[in-house]
Amino acid sequence: GQQLNQSPQSMFIQEGEDVSMNCTSSSIFNTWLWYKQDPGEGPVLLIALYKAGELTSNGRLTAQFGITRKDSFLNISASIPSDVGIYFCAGHGSSNTGKLIFGQGTTLQVKP
Amino acid sequence: NAGVTQTPKFRVLKTGQSMTLLCAQDMNHEYMYWYRQDPGMGLRLIHYSVGEGTTAKGEVPDGYNVSRLKKQNFLLGLESAAPSQTSVYFCASTISGGDSPLHFGNGTRLTVT
Repeated sequence: GQQLNQSPQSMFIQEGEDVSMNCTSSSIFNTWLWYKQDPGEGPVLLIALYKAGELTSNGRLTAQFGITRKDSFLNISASIPSDVGIYFCAGHGSSNTGKLIFGQGTTLQVKP
Repeated sequence: NAGVTQTPKFRVLKTGQSMTLLCAQDMNHEYMYWYRQDPGMGLRLIHYSVGEGTTAKGEVPDGYNVSRLKKQNFLLGLESAAPSQTSVYFCASTISGGDSPLHFGNGTRLTVT
């Protein structure tokens, strides 16, 4: 089945630094979504990408849908302590059932 | 707005016991999903439903059953719990299939001893 490979697995950075994480797949995805999960809570949608090449920002977050439709990246600029959490990439594959396939997650820790 | 509500939040079971996890959404969403989250593995789809009265298997369905008798509720059952089912379970819903983003509940942490 379709799989997403997300990297890095974890990051430990200083407050104020920029962060970049990415997802790749061997197969094409129709959409790419980026979620954040805070401790003890469910994932919350950050950014949704629907077209190849699309570049979208949400505050300090920027994400892009790769032109080949097989990859996406998420950048966080000027990190702050509340950016701590697990970030997941996810994608809709070829079916029309709304099923999302998730990457393994990137755990971000920010040192004040 | 409640959104997606999961009950219970925590549960400890002994091997062989059974239980049902309840997911309720108040957004009139057609599609509902059950995922499990394990360290380093992301979220994996157990079962899903594309409408009231329908269910389908996901990526890791073995050992679980589901029912969608009412549009707003999606139940996940474990008939005979095993330690391998220790996990955090998330329910999600979306208004329709295709490319609609999923909305998640806050999870149920299940430990099977």
